Amino acid sequence: QKEVEQNSGPLSVPEGAIASLNCTYSDRGSQSFFWYRQYSGKSPELIMFIYSNGDKEDGRFTAQLNKASQYVSLLIRDSQPSDSATYLCAAYSNTGNQFYFGTGTSLTVIP
Amino acid sequence: DAGVIQSPRHEVTEMGQEVTLRCKPISGHNSLFWYRQTMMRGLELLIYFNNNVPIDDSGMPEDRFSAKMPNASFSTLKIQPSEPRDSAVYFCASSPTGLNQPQHFGDGTRLSIL
Repeated sequence: QKEVEQNSGPLSVPEGAIASLNCTYSDRGSQSFFWYRQYSGKSPELIMFIYSNGDKEDGRFTAQLNKASQYVSLLIRDSQPSDSATYLCAAYSNTGNQFYFGTGTSLTVIP
Repeated sequence: DAGVIQSPRHEVTEMGQEVTLRCKPISGHNSLFWYRQTMMRGLELLIYFNNNVPIDDSGMPEDRFSAKMPNASFSTLKIQPSEPRDSAVYFCASSPTGLNQPQHFGDGTRLSIL
């Protein structure tokens, strides 16, 4: 079992819809969570980070964290074709001071 | 502000040659990370430094890989001798302090070993 798991997709949504990306983690010591966007051939770009249970909003992006259920999600409202990319979930665990990346979910926003 | 700067952007070399990748972290960031990304294995953390000191190198695949950080503004990742299976994109990232803070990535070095 991988420490951070994501559905590899591809996930396709129409332009203007809400895209929902999900991530689960196995290490209960995980306390910090990050979402990165990676365009093909480019480097990962930080979108959001969340440390506390609940929702955190930044523009069209909302990160949601539920530590009891060990999942973290990213919602993208009013999806645009430029949001088409791979989204990577990452988690930091203070159990052994470890950092894990998921394998990413490919998102395509259809015009 | 300048981001993380990596060089070279592309490197093509023959098996057995020494390869050196370079990284300049964001000024003021105390932690530096080296990653490798492949289709098969995704993003793997190879090693990270805190205040120029290697903290965890458990991700370094073999003794052929070594990394140094002689000062706060420069780090190298060296592969000697290189093998075709080392072909990947290598990223350097930095954060203000440690693994629990957001990391900012450089543009990466695309390495091809023939």
